Order: sequence, then C-alpha cells, then structure tokens
Amino acid sequence: DTEVTQTPKHLVMGMTNKKSLKCEQHMGHRAMYWYKQKAKKPPELMFVYSYEKLSINESVPSRFSPECPNSSLLNLHLHALQPEDSALYLCASSPVRTSGGKNNEQFFGPGTRLTVL
Amino acid sequence: QKEVEQNSGPLSVPEGAIASLNCTYSDRGSQSFFWYRQYSGKSPELIMSIYSNGDKEDGRFTAQLNKASQYVSLLIRDSQPSDSATYLCAITGAGGTSYGKLTFGQGTILTVHP
Repeated sequence: DTEVTQTPKHLVMGMTNKKSLKCEQHMGHRAMYWYKQKAKKPPELMFVYSYEKLSINESVPSRFSPECPNSSLLNLHLHALQPEDSALYLCASSPVRTSGGKNNEQFFGPGTRLTVL
Repeated sequence: QKEVEQNSGPLSVPEGAIASLNCTYSDRGSQSFFWYRQYSGKSPELIMSIYSNGDKEDGRFTAQLNKASQYVSLLIRDSQPSDSATYLCAITGAGGTSYGKLTFGQGTILTVHP
C-alpha cells in the first residue's frame, strides 16, 4: 500500500463549528505533515510529526490543533475557523524526518477541500 | 530574495517538444531536491528527486542539479498534453529548524498544446 488517504474530501463548516480532518498511511512512515494550500499558491507547512511527536509548528493559530494518535494516523482538529482559513488541506508522509535523501521523500494525500462560511 | 525561485510562467510548448523548467535556491546547504506535478484541483505528486550533482533520468523526465550554481532543473522530453500541470520545485534545508522541511517554489504552469 503506497497511499496516503484523507477524509473527508470536502468539508463546509460555519465559524462556530468543531470538525476534524483525518489522514492515514500504511507505508510504515514515521514522519507526517499537515500543509495548507490556497489557490494558485504552493503548499505551506503547518505541522510536522516525527515518531508521533510534534516536531514543528509553523506558528499556526491555536484554532488548528493537530493530533497523532499512532504511527499511521494524523488528525487536524478545527475550531472557530475564519473564512480566510478556506483552503485545500494536505497531509503528507515520509519514511522519517531527515535532512536529506530518499527517506525525506514526501508523499501527499488527495487533500480535504475546506470551506468556512 | 526568495528561498526557492522558479522561472515565471506560464510556459507553453507544442506537443512533442522539450519542456524546460528551472529552479534556483538560496540555501547552499540544501540537501534534497524534488519536483512535484500538480494537476488543477488535485494534490502534488512526486515525480523526480535528486540528491547529487549531475543528471538523473526517469522515462521522459530528466532532473539536473548543479549545487555550485544553486540550480536545479526538470526537462520533459516528448511533451504530451497530459503533462499540462503546475510543476513545483521543493527543497529540504541543511538542518536546524529546516531539518526535513520542504520549501516550495511558487510553481510553473506548463501547457502542452496539440
């Protein structure tokens, strides 16, 4: 299995809602990532987990809360979002978090298209 | 200066031609270099990775790396309309806070016309 899966594919939520995005991989990867991508822009890194521990938080607002329950799963909990948070949310994984080489190749899931009303 | 810069597009080539996509970077300690292809409305797909100076070929794709010039490129031979997409150059840094972090260029939109 060489896939990263994400659910849901689409999500529409109000500014007072609480929702969660889910990501799963069964490649045995030990590094997982959340990215946000706005239209016509490259992905922006939000969080990095390495061996189920949060390694990087790119100064993301606290209305986004990541969680890594085990080595295969990554969640992103959403609360009190703003309309400007509407974007494509991408999950990725790599064998490990390293400075270089094949073990740093990141594979992306299909993404969740989020719309905040 | 941006950390990773790609040649501004859009780039339009005829079917069967060679498409050349270029990327320069500012961090001399950068370790790994990747090209992702992203179709409209889809997620990025890793198509090439290169780690040492020189050329690396995979089918119709060739990645070229020149660390002295801080330059990486992607050549697509015999371009097909199905190659029409945005191509993202991505680089991992030397270490510290850049450890394992991908930095993307702004992307180049490629259109291959029949």
